[in-house]
Amino acid sequence: QQKVQQSPESLIVPEGGMASLNCTSSDRNVDYFWWYRQHSGKSPKMLMSIFSNGEKEEGRFTVHLNKASLHTSLHIRDSQPSDSALYLCAASNTNTGKLTFGDGTVLTVKP
Amino acid sequence: EAAVTQSPRNKVTVTGGNVTLSCRQTNSHNYMYWYRQDTGHGLRLIHYSYGAGNLQIGDVPDGYKATRTTQEDFFLLLELASPSQTSLYFCASNNRGQDTQYFGPGTRLLVL
Repeated sequence: QQKVQQSPESLIVPEGGMASLNCTSSDRNVDYFWWYRQHSGKSPKMLMSIFSNGEKEEGRFTVHLNKASLHTSLHIRDSQPSDSALYLCAASNTNTGKLTFGDGTVLTVKP
Repeated sequence: EAAVTQSPRNKVTVTGGNVTLSCRQTNSHNYMYWYRQDTGHGLRLIHYSYGAGNLQIGDVPDGYKATRTTQEDFFLLLELASPSQTSLYFCASNNRGQDTQYFGPGTRLLVL
């Protein structure tokens, strides 16, 4: 069974708009959450990580984490066409180093 | 940024064939990982390693062997390739479990 669920599967936002992506883990042993971004034909690159309850902001990107519900969300404000990519959420147990990825959200930003 | 290289970048083989995918990282990272990525799926972990000579089983290990010969080199072996193993394979590395994983460019494998 899929341990990391992402929603929506795909999302279209206008340029300058806000994109909101969601992710929930069903594994209570995880303690870190990651967001990776993968442009078409490229390898995944880490975008943001979070392990504490609350919010973390880096430029146009904000990530939230609720550890009680094992839910994280990524928000991209002032979305740009260059943000169009596959966004992968992952959860890890730092004792094993093992990452479990969700199936991803395909974000398309329309000019 | 950490350097992870993979070879070959593309590979075509036939059912029952023998394939070895190579991964090298030059940052002295302890952990190395092999993933596969299929359309409609994220990355699925095949095998990983904590260091030379160590091997850990991932989530989708059936049909795959792996070997970590040195700190830098991690190999994925398909001894009897099947069409279901047609996929995009990524290698990744990091120094500790809670560190960012750095991915190689990927190897596209087609099993006919």
